[in-house]
Amino acid sequence: GQNIDQPTEMTATEGAIVQINCTYQTSGFNGLFWYQQHAGEAPTFLSYNVLDGLEEKGRFSSFLSRSKGYSYLLLKELQMKDSASYLCAVRDGDYKLSFGAGTTVTVRA
Amino acid sequence: ETGVTQTPRHLVMGMTNKKSLKCEQHLGHNAMYWYKQSAKKPLELMFVYSLEERVENNSVPSRFSPECPNSSHLFLHLHTLQPEDSALYLCASSQGLAEDNEQFFGPGTRLTVL
Repeated sequence: GQNIDQPTEMTATEGAIVQINCTYQTSGFNGLFWYQQHAGEAPTFLSYNVLDGLEEKGRFSSFLSRSKGYSYLLLKELQMKDSASYLCAVRDGDYKLSFGAGTTVTVRA
Repeated sequence: ETGVTQTPRHLVMGMTNKKSLKCEQHLGHNAMYWYKQSAKKPLELMFVYSLEERVENNSVPSRFSPECPNSSHLFLHLHTLQPEDSALYLCASSQGLAEDNEQFFGPGTRLTVL
């Protein structure tokens, strides 16, 4: 089966940096996605990594190491609106996405 | 309407009821998905349709029956559900099934089975 692990909860202060780690053990690998999900809302796409390295998009960056089965999502200059659940998902076949249980990030003033 | 819409947003049903969840995507996509999201658990893929053909039936109990009449609409028909089926049911769509096609999610239907 697929195994995708990420921390359950993280708390950080407004303006700070938070790094959410994701490790995976899957039968195949065709890319890794990060989604943001606010309470009661739809998950929204944040990033996609298929090659090793860092992808930067404004305040958010995502890193991938395929050899280590590891990714992280880096959130910089945290804002209150960044309080949400962050989902790591691995495409382990042609189209199937296997999701982690999500990391709830709470940003405090 | 834009993006992916789902109705109803909330549904309470008894174990003997029959109800349907509806999903509509306004993005011109060719693939649609049903996911189940239970509290503190990962999203579970239930069904995948591509060009109105089912390509995935992920060992889902027969009390859940999907229907895809065209590439813009997806239904999930429910009958004789169990309390453990209470969850958030999310619909998603993507351009196709290619590796880098991101999935766009609807807001979900919060289902409670009494």
